[in-house]
Amino acid sequence: DGGITQSPKYLFRKEGQNVTLSCEQNLNHDAMYWYRQDPGQGLRLIYYSQIVNDFQKGDIAEGYSVSREKKESFPLTVTSAQKNPTAFYLCASIYRGGAFFGQGTRLTVV
Amino acid sequence: SQQGEEDPQALSIQEGENATMNCSYKTSINNLQWYRQNSGRGLVHLILIRSNEREKHSGRLRVTLDTSKKSSSLLITASRAADTASYFCATDSPSGTYKYIFGTGTRLKVLA
Repeated sequence: DGGITQSPKYLFRKEGQNVTLSCEQNLNHDAMYWYRQDPGQGLRLIYYSQIVNDFQKGDIAEGYSVSREKKESFPLTVTSAQKNPTAFYLCASIYRGGAFFGQGTRLTVV
Repeated sequence: SQQGEEDPQALSIQEGENATMNCSYKTSINNLQWYRQNSGRGLVHLILIRSNEREKHSGRLRVTLDTSKKSSSLLITASRAADTASYFCATDSPSGTYKYIFGTGTRLKVLA
């Protein structure tokens, strides 16, 4: 089945630790996006990539980093510089007709 | 940046009633989309309406778009308990970069 796969579903991070969230798609879409969602809130754009080996900062990129070495993969690293990382993270691949979303990763700082 | 804002923030109705939620946005768009999110899950694409369209139907969903007022509405007819979810509108930029901006969502609760 075609779609977006995010892993892990739940992730716990210790203070000062970097963690990487995985996002893989087999839809052959060029564009991939990372959003952050806080409880009861909308989606805020972290980073997006329109093509392999290229990506742009979204509205809240500070404390995050990404890479796009393959069309299928767009991992997000939450660095220790992100002071309030506890949130629900959603990855999406975008095409002309809309967006396909993964099921999300819930990150909690312990 | 342009952003859709949904109204109301929360809506509670009885099963069988219609649910209407609205979205306003700030700048010109290529298209507007509606998504649904069940609690703790990813978003699911419901319907897309292009800037040159005024109304679109999909099953029990009816979407309208008024570009002069920069607003859209989503109507769910004959609602069911399974429609309980958050609904988001998203707009994209006419620049063609597929940079979708999401609103803050309407939380719909359908009571059985």
